[in-house]
Amino acid sequence: EVQLVQSGAEVKKPGESLKISCKGSGYTFATYWIGWVRQMPGKGLEWMGMIYPSDSDTRYSPSFQGLVTISADKSISTAYLQWSSLRASDTAMYYCTRQTGEYWGQGALVTVSS
Amino acid sequence: DIQMTQSPSSLSASVGDRVTITCRASQGIRNDLGWYQQKPGKAPKRLISAASSLQSGVPSRFSGSGSGTEFTLTISSLQPEDFATYYCLQHNGYPWTFGQGTKVEIK
Repeated sequence: EVQLVQSGAEVKKPGESLKISCKGSGYTFATYWIGWVRQMPGKGLEWMGMIYPSDSDTRYSPSFQGLVTISADKSISTAYLQWSSLRASDTAMYYCTRQTGEYWGQGALVTVSS
Repeated sequence: DIQMTQSPSSLSASVGDRVTITCRASQGIRNDLGWYQQKPGKAPKRLISAASSLQSGVPSRFSGSGSGTEFTLTISSLQPEDFATYYCLQHNGYPWTFGQGTKVEIK
């Protein structure tokens, strides 16, 4: 059974760094793109970017380029989304998804508040 | 960027109604489009891939059609469990883009 399991909810202060994770199982992790999707409170879905774990080829939406970093460690079947300096506007639910959304993680709520 | 214009943004319908949601792409995307259902507090679920392929386990009352720039999701007979928000996603060109969503509410 294919599963994507995300790390838990986070509460952070503005300016802090954060790295959230998405662990895949039940398939060959390295050979499927993993994407990240943001959903701000009460809003729609936004595609942030994606990574191909086999060679770490990464694509970003221009809206998120330079604001986040997507990475992966294929040896432990895990993809990451990280921020170096969080802002209050980063408060959202973040989902990982395989390829074109055939499988989704359960989501990770990130709250940034002073 | 390829813009996806989804309409309507919301609709009210009754159980048993036929419901149609449309996504228009700002340029041709072949059939590189999926439809997703999201219920409150849950991750999205893909209903349709490649514009018209029903995912395994999805009821046959859901169907998708279209190619190029215009796509539709149809629910032939709305059921209580179908009240949710629906999104399209194009994956033809980077960045991939979602439609704005359609909230289907009970009339």
